[in-house]
Amino acid sequence: EVQLVQSGAEVKKPGESLKISCKGSGYSFTSYWIGWVRQMPGKGLEWMGIIYPGDSDTRYSPSFQGQVTISADKSISTAYLQWSSLKASDTAMYYCARAAGYMDVWGKGTTVTVSS
Amino acid sequence: DIQMTQSPSSLSASVGDRVTITCRASQSISSYLNWYQQKPGKAPKLLIYAASSLQSGVPSRFSGSGSGTDFTLTISSLQPEDFATYYCQQSYSTLLYSFGQGTKLEIK
Repeated sequence: EVQLVQSGAEVKKPGESLKISCKGSGYSFTSYWIGWVRQMPGKGLEWMGIIYPGDSDTRYSPSFQGQVTISADKSISTAYLQWSSLKASDTAMYYCARAAGYMDVWGKGTTVTVSS
Repeated sequence: DIQMTQSPSSLSASVGDRVTITCRASQSISSYLNWYQQKPGKAPKLLIYAASSLQSGVPSRFSGSGSGTDFTLTISSLQPEDFATYYCQQSYSTLLYSFGQGTKLEIK
């Protein structure tokens, strides 16, 4: 079964760092892009960026460039999304999804709550 | 950036109704348009890709059409499980796949 398994919910304080993960299985992880999507509470879907695990080619939405870092470790079929200094406004659900012109396989999402 | 605009933002309909949701791109995107369904507390689900191709396992009451800047998602006969939020997404802009703002489909 093709699936993406995301890491569990996180509760952090402003200024803390965080790295969440997305592990692929059931397909060739290095042959598909992995995209990240943010959904703030009660809001729509926002495209954050994308990585090709085969060579770590990464692209960011201008809205998220410099705010987050997307990376991947192809040896363990895992993509990451990380923050160096969280803000309250980073509170959201974050989804990873396999991307090939469309996003056909999604993780269940990781909830990130940033609160003092 | 390519901006995607959906209309309406919300819609009330009854079981059995035919429903159409529209998505407009700020520039031509050929047929690089996808549609997703999202239910509360769940990840989005791909319904339609490349404007009109039905994703495997999606009921045939869902259909998509359009090219260039104007696209539609049609549900031919609404079922109770179709009440959800629908998003369009363009995949024309290389690796910057922006979404529409969503259309919430509610029970009348």
